[in-house]
Amino acid sequence: KQEVTQIPAALSVPEGENLVLNCSFTDSAIYNLQWFRQDPGKGLTSLLLIQSSQREQTSGRLNASLDKSSGRSTLYIAASQPGDSATYLCAVWGDMRFGAGTRLTVKP
Amino acid sequence: NAGVTQTPKFQVLKTGQSMTLQCAQDMNHEYMSWYRQDPGMGLRLIHYSVGAGITDQGEVPNGYNVSRSTTEDFPLRLLSAAPSQTSVYFCASRPTSGNVYEQYFGPGTRLTVT
Repeated sequence: KQEVTQIPAALSVPEGENLVLNCSFTDSAIYNLQWFRQDPGKGLTSLLLIQSSQREQTSGRLNASLDKSSGRSTLYIAASQPGDSATYLCAVWGDMRFGAGTRLTVKP
Repeated sequence: NAGVTQTPKFQVLKTGQSMTLQCAQDMNHEYMSWYRQDPGMGLRLIHYSVGAGITDQGEVPNGYNVSRSTTEDFPLRLLSAAPSQTSVYFCASRPTSGNVYEQYFGPGTRLTVT
């Protein structure tokens, strides 16, 4: 059974800092890995999808990488802003397993 | 487009009561699913449907029923609520052709069972 872990569970950084969120998974036989953002009281919004044949995807200040052999993905956020404050979840496609998320707070 | 809508937003039930969580989408997506989200845990799949008349179980189906009579609607029924079903419930939909990874989530229903 695929297990998806996100560490840390919470992170607080000052505005402007570059940061990395981590996602690890136990079974490397995945189709894709997806990063989502969840705002309080809201549903999930897709940020980036990395297909299994890819190693990274970029969208604006976000860059996600995938290393299937080591069972890891990272989400890099450049020049963080208070508006980036949210919970970030990763999900592994195959049978769509989610991590518990990292709650990010960016302080002005 | 309204996207994926869920009602109610909040609900409190007593143990043993039944209720239906409503989910509707207006994007003509074939695939719809229900998840629950508990503190410290990722979303877990309860049931899913790949089209009208077709449903299947996910990771945590016990205590829940679903049906899919139309493409638009995918209600989740709790037959006899238990405190262990206290959670936030999300409905999601996506296409089964084209951009099949573009999954849309509803805003969630926060359910408390006392």
